[in-house]
Amino acid sequence: DTGVSQDPRHKITKRGQNVTFRCDPISEHNRLYWYRQTLGQGPEFLTYFQNEAQLEKSRLLSDRFSAERPKGSFSTLEIQRTEQGDSAMYLCASSLNSGEKLFFGSGTQLSVL
Amino acid sequence: AQKVTQAQTEISVVEKEDVTLDCVYETRDTTYYLFWYKQPPSGELVFLIRRNSFDEQNEISGRYSWNFQKSTSSFNFTITASQVVDSAVYFCALSTGFQKLVFGTGTRLLVSP
Repeated sequence: DTGVSQDPRHKITKRGQNVTFRCDPISEHNRLYWYRQTLGQGPEFLTYFQNEAQLEKSRLLSDRFSAERPKGSFSTLEIQRTEQGDSAMYLCASSLNSGEKLFFGSGTQLSVL
Repeated sequence: AQKVTQAQTEISVVEKEDVTLDCVYETRDTTYYLFWYKQPPSGELVFLIRRNSFDEQNEISGRYSWNFQKSTSSFNFTITASQVVDSAVYFCALSTGFQKLVFGTGTRLLVSP
């Protein structure tokens, strides 16, 4: 059990650029979640996958955001045409099944200048 | 809709004091799970406890204890004899059915020597 890995840890980009984050969940976990956390707030749900199927997307996930989980393993979260309001910590988590505890990665801190 | 309220934004105590963090939740589901997570300054969310809606037994783990009361929709967390290492942001969260985890806004605990 190597835990949930996220890459990169930090990303600084200019407004309008595209960025992509990667998450490697715990290997036997079926569920993978993306959350966003801004300063002083709790994590806000963005989307989640059951294996390779994306089962739910939050209203927060505008059409500039897209997430994939090919083959039900790692996942990527892409933000196109970044805006300053996208600056946040993007957290990935995985769990074995629904209702189980989530294991979180260390997050990717995005700063949009 | 599911909602978690943590009314205490920040609590400051002196080491060895007992402290209780409040959590009130809202859901119409009869089956749900409640969680507490700790987020130390390093940023990674650490799982503390999961409780399902059918188990109202209070739980104690070392200096930590949890009081679950369905009648008041509360799931409070008490740290006995607090220590400086307990300083962190603590999040209460709710999961219903096969849905994602919904977090509260967190309570920042500062324990001074």
